[in-house]
Amino acid sequence: AQRVTQPEKLLSVFKGAPVELKCNYSYSGSPELFWYVQYSRQRLQLLLRHISRESIKGFTADLNKGETSFHLKKPFAQEEDSAMYYCALIDPGGGADGLTFGKGTHLIIQP
Amino acid sequence: ETGVTQSPTHLIKTRGQQVTLRCSSQSGHNTVSWYQQALGQGPQFIFQYYREEENGRGNFPPRFSGLQFPNYSSELNVNALELDDSALYLCASSFGGANEQFFGPGTRLTVL
Repeated sequence: AQRVTQPEKLLSVFKGAPVELKCNYSYSGSPELFWYVQYSRQRLQLLLRHISRESIKGFTADLNKGETSFHLKKPFAQEEDSAMYYCALIDPGGGADGLTFGKGTHLIIQP
Repeated sequence: ETGVTQSPTHLIKTRGQQVTLRCSSQSGHNTVSWYQQALGQGPQFIFQYYREEENGRGNFPPRFSGLQFPNYSSELNVNALELDDSALYLCASSFGGANEQFFGPGTRLTVL
């Protein structure tokens, strides 16, 4: 069965420090991977997807198929990065199984 | 362009009752997916509707059912409510199931 694991429930770092949110997955095949973010009092929104290979708000995520990981990184954290972050995967063949989410990591950026 | 909307915002029901939650998809989207998010958990996929038909379902019992209308809006119905059904229910719309899903604000259901 497909699964997404985010080992850290809570991650607290100081402003300006590097951030890495971990995500590991299990899936038979090549899934499409996403990071979703939920800022306080806002709805869940897409941060980035691995096929886009973009850097959004300074965040990047590299897919490592050998380690089945998709960690989210940012070199210098900002206070506005404080939010809940969810890693998710989907079958790229049609998506009829929906997104499979991890339990989320609450990122707190301290001033 | 209007985003995904959901109604109601909050709902309180008692065990054994039935509930209907509503979702209006984003303009131009033809696919609606529903998720259940229990406290402290990530969203869990319930089912997906594409062109008015269910085309994918997660590990939820048949008392969770849905509809999609010609304008691509959708309903989630839950019969015989149980205490464990208390959760945030999220609706997401997309153009096709594998493309970016845009989420609504959710409906908070409390079952007493």
